[in-house]
Amino acid sequence: ELKVEQNPLFLSMQEGKNYTIYCNYSTTSDRLYWYRQDPGKSLESLFVLLSNGAVKQEGRLMASLDTKARLSTLHITAAVHDLSATYFCAVDPSGAQKLVFGQGTRLTINP
Amino acid sequence: GAVVSQHPSWVICKSGTSVKIECRSLDFQATTMFWYRQFPKQSLMLMATSNEGSKATYEQGVEKDKFLINHASLTLSTLTVTSAHPEDSSFYICSARDARSTDTQYFGPGTRLTVL
Repeated sequence: ELKVEQNPLFLSMQEGKNYTIYCNYSTTSDRLYWYRQDPGKSLESLFVLLSNGAVKQEGRLMASLDTKARLSTLHITAAVHDLSATYFCAVDPSGAQKLVFGQGTRLTINP
Repeated sequence: GAVVSQHPSWVICKSGTSVKIECRSLDFQATTMFWYRQFPKQSLMLMATSNEGSKATYEQGVEKDKFLINHASLTLSTLTVTSAHPEDSSFYICSARDARSTDTQYFGPGTRLTVL
């Protein structure tokens, strides 16, 4: 059974600091997705990573994928309060878009 | 582009009644739609895959007779929760895969179901 594990599950940080969220998965997959969820809302797509070594950046967020290590990271640079949300990674092991989600990382950024 | 809508956005019903949730792709055709369930403060769990013109594929542990899925057109899938009970209360989120792309699915805004 595929397992997708995020670390940490909760993260409270100060504005202006840098931090990284880790996403480990237990079986082979070349596709990994990062999403943001605000309270009471659905998912907002952040990044789609489709190959080993893929790196994508958008604003203060940067995601990378190492398929050999089965690890993806979401790096936050100089955090701002607006980035407070829950972040999910998801893996598509079959290529059929049947996503398996991590537990989510609840990020709180304090002024 | 790539907008997915859900209706209703929230619903409260009595135990034993059935509730239908609609998922529509507004500006693209979706041969495949997915239904997820999310309990409070938890992750999303895939319930079933809905394919246009054919029977849905359910994930292990999901009762197909309780969660009826119909995908009658390339832009509409429905999920009916039959004989709802309080334990069915959850946030139901659909997503749709654009027929022209295999890499991305677009999520709807979700439907919050509360069963009294």
